[in-house]
Order: sequence, then structure tokens, then C-alpha cells
Amino acid sequence: DQQVKQNSPSLSVQEGRISILNCDYTNSMFDYFLWYKKYPAEGPTFLISISSIKDKNEDGRFTVFLNKSAKHLSLHIVPSQPGDSAVYFCAASSASGSRLTFGEGTQLTVNP
Amino acid sequence: GAGVSQSPRYKVAKRGQDVALRCDPISGHVSLFWYQQALGQGPEFLTYFQNEAQLDKSGLPSDRFFAERPEGSVSTLKIQRTQQEDSAVYLCASSSSQITNEKLFFGSGTQLSVL
Repeated sequence: DQQVKQNSPSLSVQEGRISILNCDYTNSMFDYFLWYKKYPAEGPTFLISISSIKDKNEDGRFTVFLNKSAKHLSLHIVPSQPGDSAVYFCAASSASGSRLTFGEGTQLTVNP
Repeated sequence: GAGVSQSPRYKVAKRGQDVALRCDPISGHVSLFWYQQALGQGPEFLTYFQNEAQLDKSGLPSDRFFAERPEGSVSTLKIQRTQQEDSAVYLCASSSSQITNEKLFFGSGTQLSVL
């Protein structure tokens, strides 16, 4: 039972353009969502988060959008840079739980 | 050190061997998590400590898996009688927060290969 799904295993964009990574969830108890970035041979690093009381959170080039009715969130990176090339994981948690539930990840490649 | 440290970085075990994986969290972090990441998948929760108390171990896949954090800092994940399906990267993460999962700091993981 995959409660958090990232349906695109990979995404390739040109430097300077927008990258849009998508994530869907099924558990309506999730109320906090996060994006992590992972380089090879390293652990995931926190990127940005959003609470279910908001529909948008922005931090520099990174913006996360949350559509609760559709149980969908997306991460926008503008402008994309070659150093953004990594695996991006969507994760979710609930107020009553201690764990993060991760999606399968999307490999982003930004071409110079 | 400044980050979460895990050792060993790589571990090769013969099926049936016992292994012990170590995690040194960021100093002062009260929350510590273990996750298992299979190839091509996202991390999956194994267990959670708040200081020395193991508050949630519902993600441990079998009774062959055991975790401890006796003094509320360093943690060890032990796998007894390893099986091939235990092959994965084991990630440790710590957080200063007792309430949410925000800003977990992950180590680089231990890659376990069971032959």
C-alpha cells in the first residue's frame, strides 16, 4: 500500500527552465509534507516543507504547492541549475505519528 | 562532528551472519530514526527513539531486527541471521524536535549486502 507516490521516476530539463516534480498521497491523515534532495552516496537533505493549513510555501528558487482536495503536491524549481540534479523525495507525516512516509523518488537531471 | 555519522559505510555479510550498524547523531538531538532504503525505492521507517526510549518500533520487519540507544545518543541497529532480502541502505536520522519530523538530518547510510 503505497501511501505516497511519485509517478515520474525521472525528469530532464534545460538549465534556466522550470522543473516541476509531482507527488500524490492517499492518506487523508497526512498534514505535513516535505521534500528531500539526495545526491549519490549521501543521505537525503531537507529542502522545503508545507503544512496542510497552507497551499503554497516559497524559499528562494523552490516553491511547494499543496492541493488538499486532490491530495497532490508539487515542487517547482525556477530557474533550474545543473547542481539541482539529484533524486527528489516527497514525504508526508501526520500529527499523531512519528514517522515520515516517503515516495519512491524522482531523478532530476538539469542539462547545461 | 557536525553531522550524523554512520559506520560502517559498507557491510558485506554472509547469509545467516549477525550484523551491527552504528549511528552517531548530531550532539544534543533528542530524536533518532532508522530507515531502510531498498534499491530504487524511498526510505521506509523502521524505528524511532526519543532520548533512550524506543517509542515506535512498528516498522521493524521481523524479530531479527533490534535497535537500541542506551544512553540517549549513539544508536545501534542489529540484524540477526541476515537474509538476502535484508540487503539495503540503512539510514539513520536525528532531529532536535520532539514533536514533528521537520528537518530530519540524515547520515550517509550503511549499505548492507547479504550474499
